[in-house]
Amino acid sequence: DADVTQTPRNRITKTGKRIMLECSQTKGHDRMYWYRQDPGLGLRLIYYSFDVKDINKGEISDGYSVSRQAQAKFSLSLESAIPNQTALYFCATSGGTNTGELFFGEGSRLTVL
Amino acid sequence: GQNIDQPTEMTATEGAIVQINCTYQTSGFNGLFWYQQHAGEAPTFLSYNVLDGLEEKGRFSSFLSRSKGYSYLLLKELQMKDSASYLCAVGNAGNNRKLIWGLGTSLAVNP
Repeated sequence: DADVTQTPRNRITKTGKRIMLECSQTKGHDRMYWYRQDPGLGLRLIYYSFDVKDINKGEISDGYSVSRQAQAKFSLSLESAIPNQTALYFCATSGGTNTGELFFGEGSRLTVL
Repeated sequence: GQNIDQPTEMTATEGAIVQINCTYQTSGFNGLFWYQQHAGEAPTFLSYNVLDGLEEKGRFSSFLSRSKGYSYLLLKELQMKDSASYLCAVGNAGNNRKLIWGLGTSLAVNP
């Protein structure tokens, strides 16, 4: 089983719908992240959390919200999806002394029509 | 400002050696990271340099010069499975909560 699990892996939805992407990890890491990846734009940080009580905005948080339900769970919500939120979304974790070593989930491909 | 530059695409031949360069400008520095990402898959960690010099790990090596704001990833004895995107990322000492990511270099290994 993967150490960082994302659900759903693929989702097609319509403009205006609420979407939740879920992430769970078994690595015991405190730090969790949500990124989106778009062709030509690279990885961009949406939100990150250093522990259950710590939530921080990344560079592109508008239109998104997150919830850190437990050390192992970090979910990303799109309250009202729009087409330019069509992207590949990655959850990642890090821990230990090398906090730049990220462990990524397999990704969630979201299409907003 | 903060910026990372790496070539967009590279092509190499199976069995050869290829060097992927990365230059960076950051307001602080706390390590340089290389990740590999196959098409449609998640990035996976390859290497980490925080001091100047060469770090070798099997067929892959990574070099860092902090004074020049420069790193390279060296791949030896190329295999077809090395065809992937290689992402350079810098940890910012002032804000190490976030990695600054390059756009990646897409490497195609031809037979």
